[in-house]
Amino acid sequence: AQSVTQPDIHITVSEGASLELRCNYSYGATPYLFWYVQSPGQGLQLLLKYFSGDTLVQGIKGFEAEFKRSQSSFNLRKPSVHWSDAAEYFCAVGLRSNDYKLSFGAGTTVTVRA
Amino acid sequence: ETGVTQSPTHLIKTRGQQVTLRCSSQSGHNTVSWYQQALGQGPQFIFQYYREEENGRGNFPPRFSGLQFPNYSSELNVNALELDDSALYLCASSLLRDSYNEQFFGPGTRLTVL
Repeated sequence: AQSVTQPDIHITVSEGASLELRCNYSYGATPYLFWYVQSPGQGLQLLLKYFSGDTLVQGIKGFEAEFKRSQSSFNLRKPSVHWSDAAEYFCAVGLRSNDYKLSFGAGTTVTVRA
Repeated sequence: ETGVTQSPTHLIKTRGQQVTLRCSSQSGHNTVSWYQQALGQGPQFIFQYYREEENGRGNFPPRFSGLQFPNYSSELNVNALELDDSALYLCASSLLRDSYNEQFFGPGTRLTVL
């Protein structure tokens, strides 16, 4: 069955430390891959996306993600976390054949401690 | 250029009632997608409207229905409300064409069913 999995429900990280959020997908073909961030009371903001080509993609707010086909993963990273990065992060996939309708993982909540 | 707006922000209904949520798409966009985000979950795709026609539907019962108007704004209607319908409802607008075009999300409508 097609699915998007974010194994970590909650991650706590110290300000200035690095952050990595995991995402795994199960689809017949390589889907289009996305990371969104949601702050309390806000809608979803696109951080970055992967369609093809270079497997390391850069996004906004200093985030990057790496696509690994062999592991069906698309992990999100940030070298140095700021307090403002505290939010919920969602991995999502879309298929061109399905007009890019998005399927989301359950999300990872990131807490940043001083 | 205005972003995606949704109304109302919050809504409280009782079981069995009907509700209408509204979404104004971003200027120039012809597609609106609706998502339901239950507490602690990722958004789930409800349906998509493209140029006033339904263009795909997720695993939601028929009491979830929608409309898209000539100005590409949209409504989500839910009949016979159930407690499990309590959620954040997100709409996203995009310009659907052969190549991917980013979905822009509104801030959502928080629906509480008592």
